[in-house]
Amino acid sequence: EIVMTQSPATLSVSPGERATLSCRASQSVSNNLAWYQQKPGQAPRLLIYGASTRATGIPARFSGSGSGTEFTLNISSLQSEDFAVYYCQQYNNWPITFGPGTKVDIK
Amino acid sequence: QLQLQESGPGLVKPSETLSLTCTVSGGSISSSGYYWGWIRQPPGKGLEWIGNIYHSGITYYNPSLKSRVTIAVDTSKNQFSLRLSSVTAADTAVYYCAGYCSSTSCYRISQNYGMDVWGQGTTVTVSS
Repeated sequence: EIVMTQSPATLSVSPGERATLSCRASQSVSNNLAWYQQKPGQAPRLLIYGASTRATGIPARFSGSGSGTEFTLNISSLQSEDFAVYYCQQYNNWPITFGPGTKVDIK
Repeated sequence: QLQLQESGPGLVKPSETLSLTCTVSGGSISSSGYYWGWIRQPPGKGLEWIGNIYHSGITYYNPSLKSRVTIAVDTSKNQFSLRLSSVTAADTAVYYCAGYCSSTSCYRISQNYGMDVWGQGTTVTVSS
């Protein structure tokens, strides 16, 4: 099983600032990495797949990068609606595994 | 546009079997090319993948739950289901059904790979 880790656990950012979230896989997942956003009381929403491709309707301020074992999600200028928990997920191998999440909150 | 809706009991007794159904609308469960699956989230915790099924019946399960989990598909009803046996309080969670696209056939529909369609989630509490 591939273990996913995320850092930091919590990121405090002011609106308008840039946020950088990290995700690491215990072994290579190629570019089979997705990012999800989850707000309280809601289901997760797909943001990024293939490590760097934005899902349909996702604003350009969200960008993903990386391959192999190291990945990054950048949010270029945080809007109020971006404060949420972000999960990375590998789908290179079964079982599919999620990271523990990074909570982005208001500084 | 595909939509998913979970249904099932919100309260299950310890040692009994949790049963949930996910109804797919807006498309065919058997021709869309998706893997259909379940993810859960205990209160205040992260996401845990439970398993996926393809319309042909091929299944993949989380090894930590495999001995207790069964996911099945009913193409006649456009539904898939989750059964989790011998539940304990640790199985209390919000349970989500989701569609996972990993093939060109579902990509032609959704224009996304990954889990791009989710139900709203249903809370299941295990308690006597």
